[in-house]
Amino acid sequence: NAGVMQNPRHLVRRRGQEARLRCSPMKGHSHVYWYRQLPEEGLKFMVYLQKENIIDESGMPKERFSAEFPKEGPSILRIQQVVRGDSAAYFCASSPPSGGARAYEQYFGPGTRLTVT
Amino acid sequence: AQSVTQLDSQVPVFEEAPVELRCNYSSSVSVYLFWYVQYPNQGLQLLLKYLSGSTLVESINGFEAEFNKSQTSFHLRKPSVHISDTAEYFCAVKEGGGADGLTFGKGTHLIIQP
Repeated sequence: NAGVMQNPRHLVRRRGQEARLRCSPMKGHSHVYWYRQLPEEGLKFMVYLQKENIIDESGMPKERFSAEFPKEGPSILRIQQVVRGDSAAYFCASSPPSGGARAYEQYFGPGTRLTVT
Repeated sequence: AQSVTQLDSQVPVFEEAPVELRCNYSSSVSVYLFWYVQYPNQGLQLLLKYLSGSTLVESINGFEAEFNKSQTSFHLRKPSVHISDTAEYFCAVKEGGGADGLTFGKGTHLIIQP
């Protein structure tokens, strides 16, 4: 049973370019979360999605950042016109449907480390 | 809004010694509490969680944490650590019934010395 998959693992972009980060949740999971980890910081919640729906985007920057989780395919976190301050590790997590012993457990992927030069 | 404080950024401990990693939270509503472990260049792995019931929760690898509502704490303990426990440990909280994103502390780097 594969875990949460993220790709690429490392991404280098020049200032002004676009970054696309992909996340495939665990099999059977329909909830996806994106977090950002800055150096020496904990993870900061960005957005929570279910298939074709954004449930909570209270942690997303207002500009340049967007996320989607289409009916088919992985979830995508998109950063337009990247700046040096966007350099961070971006983690995706998934969780099973609500209820049961696994309630509220989030399973994390290995992360994508974005470097903006 | 909730917040999580991990008071120690680094905790050096000798192998086979006991350890406690401190975590305090603030929230005006009921919460669910979690400890995650992160090994170098890897994602986070769930270590243990408190949702309700017994305030003492245990993991399969010897860690335990106790929910203390009056002190708003969820400290992580292990009676005897191993070299393999060297990692970053994150405490996280979720408000019961609230948005599903977790709020994390800044992490504690546990360094096991031989």
